[in-house]
Amino acid sequence: EDKVVQSPLSLVVHEGDTVTLNCSYEVTNFRSLLWYKQEKKAPTFLFMLTSSGIEKKSGRLSSILDKKELSSILNITATQTGDSAIYLCAVGDSSYKLIFGSGTRLLVRP
Amino acid sequence: DTAVSQTPKYLVTQMGNDKSIKCEQNLGHDTMYWYKQDSKKFLKIMFSYNNKELIINETVPNRFSPKSPDKAHLNLHINSLELGDSAVYFCASSQDGVSYEQYFGPGTRLTVT
Repeated sequence: EDKVVQSPLSLVVHEGDTVTLNCSYEVTNFRSLLWYKQEKKAPTFLFMLTSSGIEKKSGRLSSILDKKELSSILNITATQTGDSAIYLCAVGDSSYKLIFGSGTRLLVRP
Repeated sequence: DTAVSQTPKYLVTQMGNDKSIKCEQNLGHDTMYWYKQDSKKFLKIMFSYNNKELIINETVPNRFSPKSPDKAHLNLHINSLELGDSAVYFCASSQDGVSYEQYFGPGTRLTVT
């Protein structure tokens, strides 16, 4: 069965720290890997990584896809309290279905 | 303007009842989805419609029936509600059936007592 595993489950840091969130996957027909940020309500899209785009960066957030290791990391530098959220990793398969991990809950303390 | 909206936001009902959740998107997307997020925060796909046609139908009890009157709307009807149906239900949309980037609604928290 296809699965996506995220670690750590939760993380508490102080403002200014750098964090690395991990995502590993076992998906038969991998096509893409996506990161979402979920605050109180809807998950919001952050990045999509594919074989043709294995590294993305937006401001303090960056992500890398390692297809050999079947994994991805999401880095957040100089964290702020507004970064507190659940970060979801999802893998898209050949039927355009997304398989989600259970998320990493990040808490950034002032 | 809200891109993907759902009603109601909260729904508390008793076992055995029938309820519906509505979803609308104003993004002009062709494809819409229903997800269930359980207490462990796993988001699992339930259904997907592309231009009113069902394209993804995961292993979901047949008490759950989606209906898409047009490509901007996807409703979820649930018959004979059970305790295990308690969860947050998210609607999402994407440009078309071959896009991975999905936009989510705010969710409907369903509590079955």
